[in-house]
Amino acid sequence: NAGVTQTPKFRILKIGQSMTLQCTQDMNHNYMYWYRQDPGMGLKLIYYSVGAGITDKGEVPNGYNVSRSTTEDFPLRLELAAPSQTSVYFCASSYGLAGPYEQYFGPGTRLTVT
Amino acid sequence: GQQVMQIPQYQHVQEGEDFTTYCNSSTTLSNIQWYKQRPGGHPVFLIQLVKSGEVKKQKRLTFQFGEAKKNSSLHITATQTTDVGTYFCAGRDGGSQGNLIFGKGTKLSVKP
Repeated sequence: NAGVTQTPKFRILKIGQSMTLQCTQDMNHNYMYWYRQDPGMGLKLIYYSVGAGITDKGEVPNGYNVSRSTTEDFPLRLELAAPSQTSVYFCASSYGLAGPYEQYFGPGTRLTVT
Repeated sequence: GQQVMQIPQYQHVQEGEDFTTYCNSSTTLSNIQWYKQRPGGHPVFLIQLVKSGEVKKQKRLTFQFGEAKKNSSLHITATQTTDVGTYFCAGRDGGSQGNLIFGKGTKLSVKP
C-alpha cells in the first residue's frame, strides 16, 4: 500500500493564482483531512471529510475549498492565492473520526506564494 | 474552544541525556495521541493513550496520561541522534466527537 500520497511536493505561486493540491489514499479510510503547518506551529485543520460527498470546515477554512467525490481522493483548492497561504500542507486519513483512531499523513506539499 | 498547549517549544540535549515534553489541555480529553515529525518529514503516529493514569512504553520512550485526563507527557531516556525531530501531542475533547487538536510541538535537537 502506498498509504497517503500528495502532489505536487513543491510549488511556487504568484499572488492571485489558483491551484489544486492532490491527495489520494489507498487504505479505504472514510475520514480525510487537510492541515496546514506554519513554521514553529502545530497543525491547523483546514477541512475534513467523513466520507464521499461530505465535507466540513475545520479551524482555518478561509481561502480554501475541497471536494470528495470518491473515497480515495480529497483535493484541496486554493483560489486567489495570498502570501498568508505560504505553508506546508498535509493531507491525512483515518479509519474513524471519534475514538482512538490514528491519522496517517502524506508527505506534504510545500507551497510558497510570492 | 479546546486548546492543547505543549512545552517546551525547543529542547537541546547532549546525546545520552533524558528528554521530556509536556502536554496540557484546557478540557478533559477522551484520548491523546503522540506523533513524531522528522526534519523535512511528515507526522508519524507513535502512540495513543485512553485511560486515566495510563502509562505506555516503547523501548526508550515512556508516555503518560494524567489522572484527570487533561495532561500527558513523553519521556525519552538516553536520547540518541535518531530521536531528533518535533514531537506533537494531539487531543480530542472528551465531550464531543470532534477532531484532534494538535499542540505546537516540541522540537528536539540532540548533540552527538
